[in-house]
Amino acid sequence: KAGVTQTPRYLIKTRGQQVTLSCSPISGHRSVSWYQQTPGQGLQFLFEYFSETQRNKGNFPGRFSGRQFSNSRSEMNVSTLELGDSALYLCASSFRPDPRWTDTQYFGPGTRLTVL
Amino acid sequence: ILNVEQSPQSLHVQEGDSTNFTCSFPSSNFYALHWYRWETAKSPEALFVMTLNGDEKKKGRISATLNTKEGYSYLYIKGSQPEDSATYLCAFIGSSNTGKLIFGQGTTLQVKP
Repeated sequence: KAGVTQTPRYLIKTRGQQVTLSCSPISGHRSVSWYQQTPGQGLQFLFEYFSETQRNKGNFPGRFSGRQFSNSRSEMNVSTLELGDSALYLCASSFRPDPRWTDTQYFGPGTRLTVL
Repeated sequence: ILNVEQSPQSLHVQEGDSTNFTCSFPSSNFYALHWYRWETAKSPEALFVMTLNGDEKKKGRISATLNTKEGYSYLYIKGSQPEDSATYLCAFIGSSNTGKLIFGQGTTLQVKP
């Protein structure tokens, strides 16, 4: 089975721009979650999508949004980029029909975003 | 604000040493705990999902225990090998919000040959 894939792997943007990141889950997985990893804050949960609906959400401003398509692929968008948005963005997929976190999730390689 | 603490922050051991580290979380609000291993330049890899007090899980030389009453989980590595070098993360899920994972800062393990 192919793993979780993320595109692009690296991205450089300037402040004020917006960016869209893409995640393709493992075949058959309907849950896709997004995480931000920064040296100062560690790994933080952004949100989770299941069957095209946002099911869970972390504590991030509205500039961070996402969506999921009928094939379970997901995109994450960050508008009006700030310097502090520079981070590694990871997505993870799982089968997880139950919204509670009792199933294993599988991570992609991440997208490294640099905001100048 | 829920705090998930991991200790130590980093650890250097010799090949063959056994080691353990701790994840502490709010005991009054437990739903589940995840452990992950994150090697440099790779994706985080799920090790265990733990839900019951007293749970003990094992994967090869790595095992984990869970004490929800006192709010901690231990991760043990028996006979550390250089390939065990990684950051080990725990993620807590509270019963008041079972949709959200809260990660600890991780313990970075370096195993010297």
